[in-house]
Amino acid sequence: GAGVSQSPSNKVTEKGKDVELRCDPISGHTALYWYRQSLGQGLEFLIYFQGNSAPDKSGLPSDRFSAERTGGSVSTLTIQRTQQEDSAVYLCASSPRRDGRELFFGEGSRLTVL
Amino acid sequence: AQKITQTQPGMFVQEKEAVTLDCTYDTSDPSYGLFWYKQPSSGEMIFLIYQGSYDQQNATEGRYSLNFQKARKSANLVISASQLGDSAMYFCAMREGQGSARQLTFGSGTQLTVLP
Repeated sequence: GAGVSQSPSNKVTEKGKDVELRCDPISGHTALYWYRQSLGQGLEFLIYFQGNSAPDKSGLPSDRFSAERTGGSVSTLTIQRTQQEDSAVYLCASSPRRDGRELFFGEGSRLTVL
Repeated sequence: AQKITQTQPGMFVQEKEAVTLDCTYDTSDPSYGLFWYKQPSSGEMIFLIYQGSYDQQNATEGRYSLNFQKARKSANLVISASQLGDSAMYFCAMREGQGSARQLTFGSGTQLTVLP
């Protein structure tokens, strides 16, 4: 499809395992965001990529979290040594703009850490 | 301190009535943007409306309008003629400053239920 695609849609893992979440943005969109949404909460910013600029990693909650964006397109969010508090929906969004407007969100990856 | 505050966790409105969803923000940056997003039960986030801090007029998009009161630091969303399909979670968000590495800060959301 033409929208933002995220995989897996659901992931159940055991505490201590590593997980990778993938985001395929809309083709041509230069901006890519990762957010985390815990149950009943708003969105928590994690990381922002804009073109070839250095990413804004200021929202990553710990050094267990990292993200890459290869070739200005696909992005992978990696969580190492998962903890139960990492359980949340991880949302990816892309945008053709720099100013935060017109964010197109994926349907999210629901992570459950047992 | 919270940068975006949405004080209404849940709101109910009768179909065809208008409803106002509250949002207040906190920033010392003179340049900022305010956004409203809708999140239906299916989970995707849908951009609704944007207001820039230097915009002279309140933003409008169809049935959505943003009541921007800069001195009070409020950016309330008004939905006119509510429809059943408007039932969703609504998030207010803010972007501060200029530059290429910027981020949106979201509020905790308001769950709107439109009653038939």
